[in-house]
Amino acid sequence: QVQLQESGPGLVKPSETLSLTCTVSGGSISSFYWSWIRQPPGKGLEWIAFFYYNGSPSSNPSLNSRLTISGDTSKNQFSLRLNSVTAADTAVYYCARLQMGGSYGAGAFDIWGQGTTVTVSS
Amino acid sequence: DIQMTQSPSSLSASVGDRITITCRTSQTISSYLNWYQEKLGTAPKLLIYAASSLQTGVPSRFSGSGSGTDFTLTISSLQPDDFASYYCQQSYSTPITFGQGTRLEIK
Repeated sequence: QVQLQESGPGLVKPSETLSLTCTVSGGSISSFYWSWIRQPPGKGLEWIAFFYYNGSPSSNPSLNSRLTISGDTSKNQFSLRLNSVTAADTAVYYCARLQMGGSYGAGAFDIWGQGTTVTVSS
Repeated sequence: DIQMTQSPSSLSASVGDRITITCRTSQTISSYLNWYQEKLGTAPKLLIYAASSLQTGVPSRFSGSGSGTDFTLTISSLQPDDFASYYCQQSYSTPITFGQGTRLEIK
């Protein structure tokens, strides 16, 4: 079965770049859409972006000026880079598979990583 | 952006109760509405997709309904494992947006 695992630094300094990687096992990143979602402490879920391995990513307008999303099919991984971070970027970051089309309609996040906590602090 | 409004924001109920959570969207989204369950410290779990389709492995006591702008998640008979937070999510258009969540607590 498909499993996702986030990895990356747990602490990032303000104004620096947050970099996370999601490693996919049990399936190929070439076969589905993939996404990043975050949850600030005590708050709800915020969609960050999704992408397909050979297409252009789609990202949240509130973040896309600071955001880079990429995939590496050779490693079966995809990555997130968010620059110029502030305390407002402190959150649990999840990677997730996005099922699109057919009975899933325009998309549902059906498999999630366990999440990784990123704190922005000096 | 499509705004999502869930109600109630919190709910106390007992094992065996039937409960309903509502999600209203700021514009029509057909049936492009999904529901998730989140337990403390764990990733959200997809329960219902396309407004009323039960995700594989999800107990049948969970059901969803609605279309357009008004949707509901119903749990027919609460079990101890169901006390968690619940989120709706629209995928009709980007940016994909979530409701603010409903926290379901044991009475």
